[in-house]
Amino acid sequence: AQSVTQLDSQVPVFEEAPVELRCNYSSSVSVYLFWYVQYPNQGLQLLLKYLSGSTLVKSINGFEAEFNKSQTSFHLRKPSVHISDTAEYFCAVTPPGGTSYGKLTFGQGTILTVHP
Amino acid sequence: DVKVTQSSRYLVKRTGEKVFLECVQDMDHENMFWYRQDPGLGLRLIYFSYDVKMKEKGDIPEGYSVSREKKERFSLILESASTNQTSMYLCASSFLRDLADTQYFGPGTRLTVL
Repeated sequence: AQSVTQLDSQVPVFEEAPVELRCNYSSSVSVYLFWYVQYPNQGLQLLLKYLSGSTLVKSINGFEAEFNKSQTSFHLRKPSVHISDTAEYFCAVTPPGGTSYGKLTFGQGTILTVHP
Repeated sequence: DVKVTQSSRYLVKRTGEKVFLECVQDMDHENMFWYRQDPGLGLRLIYFSYDVKMKEKGDIPEGYSVSREKKERFSLILESASTNQTSMYLCASSFLRDLADTQYFGPGTRLTVL
C-alpha cells in the first residue's frame, strides 16, 4: 500500500512571490506521481505528472515538480505566483502495476492563497 | 472537450433516506471512480469500476454501493443516509488501457444529510 503526505495544509503567499508545496509519499513499489488542482467551486484537474525519465516535469502555467527518489518527494514549485493560482492542490500516486486500474491515493491537500 | 457530469451540485437529504448520486462521462472511458472529499482528509476512494457491471471496493466502501449498467454511467448509492456521510462527492473517469492516464473529474455533489 502507498500513502501520501502533504506537509502544509495552508500556504499563504503574496503575488509574484515564489512558492513550494511539499509532498512526500511512501510505497513499497515504484509509483507514478501526480499533482491535481481544484479551483474554487470546480472539480479537480491534472496539473502535471511524473511517469519516468526526466525527474523535472513542468505544466503549461509555470508550475514544475521534481521527483526525488531518495527522499521520496515530489514537491511542486512556481517561481512567481498569480492571484489566479489560488486553489487547493493535491498530490497523488498510483502504482504502475496492472491490478491498480489507475487508482489514485491522494494527499490531504494544500490550500494556496495568493494575496495582492 | 472531455466532460464528466454529476446529476446535482447540491443535495439535502434526511437521515435514513436512500440517496442516488449519478455520474455520466462522454469519453468512452473504461474506468470510473467515486471519491468523497473532506477538509483535511483529501480525497478518499469509495468504489471504482473498470468495466460495465464490474465494481471493486475502494478504501472506504462502508455504507455505500454502486451500479454500472452502462459504460458511460456510474451511480453511487447511499442505502440509508447518515449524518457522517455529509460530504463532497466527486466522480472521475479514465482509460483502462493507460494506467498513467489522467483522471477527469466532475464538478462534485455537495451532500448534506440532516
